[in-house]
Amino acid sequence: DAKTTQPTSMDCAEGRAANLPCNHSTISGNEYVYWYRQIHSQGPQYIIHGLKNNETNEMASLIITEDRKSSTLILPHATLRDTAVYYCIVRVSRRYGGATNKLIFGTGTLLAVQP
Amino acid sequence: EPEVTQTPSHQVTQMGQEVILRCVPISNHLYFYWYRQILGQKVEFLVSFYNNEISEKSEIFDDQFSVERPDGSNFTLKIRSTKLEDSAMYFCASSDSRGHVSADTQYFGPGTRLTVL
Repeated sequence: DAKTTQPTSMDCAEGRAANLPCNHSTISGNEYVYWYRQIHSQGPQYIIHGLKNNETNEMASLIITEDRKSSTLILPHATLRDTAVYYCIVRVSRRYGGATNKLIFGTGTLLAVQP
Repeated sequence: EPEVTQTPSHQVTQMGQEVILRCVPISNHLYFYWYRQILGQKVEFLVSFYNNEISEKSEIFDDQFSVERPDGSNFTLKIRSTKLEDSAMYFCASSDSRGHVSADTQYFGPGTRLTVL
């Protein structure tokens, strides 16, 4: 699975958009980009995933560059409850030709939403 | 919305004792996982389970660990003889893995905090 690089920490003002970058320059064609977050030692929470098109759901938007070497998770109106560690993970599961189903977590980005 | 549940939320045990951590995955899911997170460290994969057998395990998952799906709803992690270094949060996850790729998303439970004294 490709490696990802994320900033260690970021701040965001409450009510503003939070833009969390992720670099995955070695991503291969069948690898998806997944985003999870973890709020204070709770279980990781799935946010969104994508392959090459931009994606949006009720939680966030995922913007993937055309060359797929980087992506940005956007929380459109951050609240204090969005303070968490955000993980960007790239993987292709066994089901789609990958060697594994496991998720490999890095250290993520600690997003601190300020009042 | 369906969710993964785990019991107990906190387990305290003495070194050398056996513990069983329990998970109820989302009901129509087919793949089950255990991860752990030692305080202040990364979330680490332990094992995945599919079709009543282990499909993958990490180096952490040695002979002291075992998993079981004793019935149609529960998925358990047993540690036979706990060590101090087993103290961690243990997370269960499940995924569907049928149909399109969205079904491959892993959903995590709230975790069990294991404290070994």
